[in-house]
Amino acid sequence: LAKTTQPISMDSYEGQEVNITCSHNNIATNDYITWYQQFPSQGPRFIIQGYKTKVTNEVASLFIPADRKSSTLSLPRVSLSDTAVYYCLVGDNSGTYKYIFGTGTRLKVLA
Amino acid sequence: DVKVTQSSRYLVKRTGEKVFLECVQDMDHENMFWYRQDPGLGLRLIYFSYDVKMKEKGDIPEGYSVSREKKERFSLILESASTNQTSMYLCASTRGGAASNQPQHFGDGTRLSIL
Repeated sequence: LAKTTQPISMDSYEGQEVNITCSHNNIATNDYITWYQQFPSQGPRFIIQGYKTKVTNEVASLFIPADRKSSTLSLPRVSLSDTAVYYCLVGDNSGTYKYIFGTGTRLKVLA
Repeated sequence: DVKVTQSSRYLVKRTGEKVFLECVQDMDHENMFWYRQDPGLGLRLIYFSYDVKMKEKGDIPEGYSVSREKKERFSLILESASTNQTSMYLCASTRGGAASNQPQHFGDGTRLSIL
């Protein structure tokens, strides 16, 4: 099963771009990479998902290099409300339905 | 929008009690999951179900069981609650098919305290 590694925490200032990198060295060929955001006392919320290269939506961008052993979530111009825990997730598409959550990255946005 | 509803936000029970946590989703999803979340440990999968009456153990199934009698409802059961089961419990659902490319939709969690 693929396992992810992320920084435990990051600080940033309002208006800056934040990049959070996740390592998943054992990612399987069919696995997608998914990022979630979690606020206190809430369940995680889907942000973005990709398989390779670059994906962009209204919230974030996801960069995935050719070897797919890592990925980077990019949050443009963060605000205080982006303070949350961010999880990188790869699934196990080898016939089971397991997702592997890491411990997440606690992002704190400062004024 | 998919809605995943967990029956209680906060629950306090006593050691040895049988505890039921209920989860309902309204989007006809095939897959449903139960996680627990503890500080420093992230989310850990307890059980999941890919169809009615079907279940698979996750990473930490000991002390728990599940029931899925209807497609929209997935119940987590603590057979005999213990203090080390005090935690935040999160339910999630996805459509069927290949698991890793289906975004999970989570409920807001049940914070369970076992005294």
